[in-house]
Amino acid sequence: IVLTQTPGTLSLSPGDRATLSCRAGQSVPSNYLAWYQQKPGQAPRLLIYGASIRATGIPDRFSGSGSGTDFTLTISRLEPEDFAVYHCQQYGRSYTFGQGTKLEIK
Amino acid sequence: EVQLLESGGGLVQPGGSLRLSCVASGFTFNTYALSWVRQAPGKGLEWVSGISVSGGATYYADSVKGRFTISRDNSKNTLYLQMNSLRADDTAVYYCAREYPTLDYWGQGTRVTVSS
Repeated sequence: IVLTQTPGTLSLSPGDRATLSCRAGQSVPSNYLAWYQQKPGQAPRLLIYGASIRATGIPDRFSGSGSGTDFTLTISRLEPEDFAVYHCQQYGRSYTFGQGTKLEIK
Repeated sequence: EVQLLESGGGLVQPGGSLRLSCVASGFTFNTYALSWVRQAPGKGLEWVSGISVSGGATYYADSVKGRFTISRDNSKNTLYLQMNSLRADDTAVYYCAREYPTLDYWGQGTRVTVSS
């Protein structure tokens, strides 16, 4: 299943609301869609799984939504530490990742 | 605390072999499936291979099938990736990750460079 993330780069300021999109080429089985955050030189960190379930320890400003082929990661109010690359991943049929969205400080 | 520590990366010539290891701690190793994921320089993430709890089932991306072999030793809390016939496009940071229900904990990665 091919995943396409938009936009490629998102420029926002601390305090803004961020909306990241992930579109699948076909329906993701059981909405098994996850989001990861990755900072330079670090491993990815799981934020959201099952499209909308926050992983352990993830702040509630992060939320996931969507179903079928269209999914969204929303960060309600950006903190300085949220500027990073975000990857979506489907795990309903093997594993595939999107190409990533870079969230940068405006 | 869940920890995954990869090792075994390095510089290898095209056609060569490497064996990566991932030592786990902080959880009951023999109750989790595991995967290897790689990231080429400046690129996105690519799932490479996965293995079931017992090691009886293994899975591979088409890009590595027939060249890479995943295995685990539950007595040593260790995951392995044997990489043969390496190519330049295998150059990447390789991460091991625990699966529950998807890749919930990751190691810090080990770098593999394939170059002459």
